[in-house]
Amino acid sequence: DQQVKQNSPSLSVQEGRISILNCDYTNSMFDYFLWYKKYPAEGPTFLISISSIKDKNEDGRFTVFLNKSAKHLSLHIVPSQPGDSAVYFCAAEDAGGTSYGKLTFGQGTILTVHP
Amino acid sequence: DGGITQSPKYLFRKEGQNVTLSCEQNLNHDAMYWYRQDPGQGLRLIYYSQIVNDFQKGDIAEGYSVSREKKESFPLTVTSAQKNPTAFYLCASNEGYSNQPQHFGDGTRLSIL
Repeated sequence: DQQVKQNSPSLSVQEGRISILNCDYTNSMFDYFLWYKKYPAEGPTFLISISSIKDKNEDGRFTVFLNKSAKHLSLHIVPSQPGDSAVYFCAAEDAGGTSYGKLTFGQGTILTVHP
Repeated sequence: DGGITQSPKYLFRKEGQNVTLSCEQNLNHDAMYWYRQDPGQGLRLIYYSQIVNDFQKGDIAEGYSVSREKKESFPLTVTSAQKNPTAFYLCASNEGYSNQPQHFGDGTRLSIL
């Protein structure tokens, strides 16, 4: 039972353009969402997060949008740079549960930004 | 410089052997986590600990064991009962409260000889 899904295994974008990575979830109890970036043979690096009380959070080139009614979130990267090429994971937390801090991850999307 | 250290980077195990992966953090975090990543898949939670001397099973705990005797250390033992141990193992930590990101180490790649 995949509670967090990233349906696009890969995405290819030209440098300078916008990258949009998508994530869907099924558990309506999730109320905190995160995006991580991962290079091969390294650990994931936290990028940006959003609480369910918001619908948008922005940090530099990265913006996360949350649509609670659709159980959908997306990460926008503008402008995309070759160094953004990595695997991106979305994750979700049920903060109302007893397991504080426990995250459920999607399968990841490989982003390739071409010069 | 605070962070999470996983060692070794690469580990090889013979069939039938137990092997222990190290995870140390100096971030003063209460909670620590172990994940497994397989090719083309997301991170799956093996075990987590929200406080010293306490830990909980995650989604795929079978064939694994952990201990949490010190706040900064959360070693993972892959036992011979784990039938498919070849994977990339990641350790993470955070303060244990809700709405807090987890911070990850650089992982250990375990392979079966």
